[in-house]
Amino acid sequence: EDQVTQSPEALRLQEGESSSLNCSYTVSGLRGLFWYRQDPGKGPEFLFTLYSAGEEKEKERLKATLTKKESFLHITAPKPEDSATYLCAVLSLKTSGSRLTFGEGTQLTVNP
Amino acid sequence: KAGVTQTPRYLIKTRGQQVTLSCSPISGHRSVSWYQQTPGQGLQFLFEYFSETQRNKGNFPGRFSGRQFSNSRSEMNVSTLELGDSALYLCASNSGPSTDTGELFFGEGSRLTVL
Repeated sequence: EDQVTQSPEALRLQEGESSSLNCSYTVSGLRGLFWYRQDPGKGPEFLFTLYSAGEEKEKERLKATLTKKESFLHITAPKPEDSATYLCAVLSLKTSGSRLTFGEGTQLTVNP
Repeated sequence: KAGVTQTPRYLIKTRGQQVTLSCSPISGHRSVSWYQQTPGQGLQFLFEYFSETQRNKGNFPGRFSGRQFSNSRSEMNVSTLELGDSALYLCASNSGPSTDTGELFFGEGSRLTVL
């Protein structure tokens, strides 16, 4: 069974204090890894897709990287508006069809 | 263009009742997926519909069912509600089958409370 584990569960940063969120996965037939952002009371919002080890994607203060066993979401000089829960998901190919499996997320708080 | 619309946004039911939730995908999107989100379990996949056909189903009991109409709108139904069904139910749409891409567009969800 596919497993996606995110750490830490919660992270508090000061504005401007860079850090990284981790997503480790155990999956057979990986087709892609995805990062989403979820604000309170809202549905998740798509951020990035990574397909192969070594791939990197950037968007504003966020950069996502992928290895064979884990992905990192690096946040550079975060601002309070970056506060949200960040979700990682893996898409895998099974005999019963493809399946998207989410981690439980990292709740990020950025204090001014 | 308008996003994914879910109704109702909030509802309260009692054990044993049933509930129907509705989802209107982004115009032109033919795939609709449903997820249950709870604090302890995260997002759990319920099922996916594409062009009115169920393509995939998660590990939920038969009390959870869904369907998709010809205009791509989807409904999910939960019968004989249990306390553990209290959750945020999220609908997501995509132009193609969601199992071909993990890039989903989510609605804001329907928060169900079972008393």
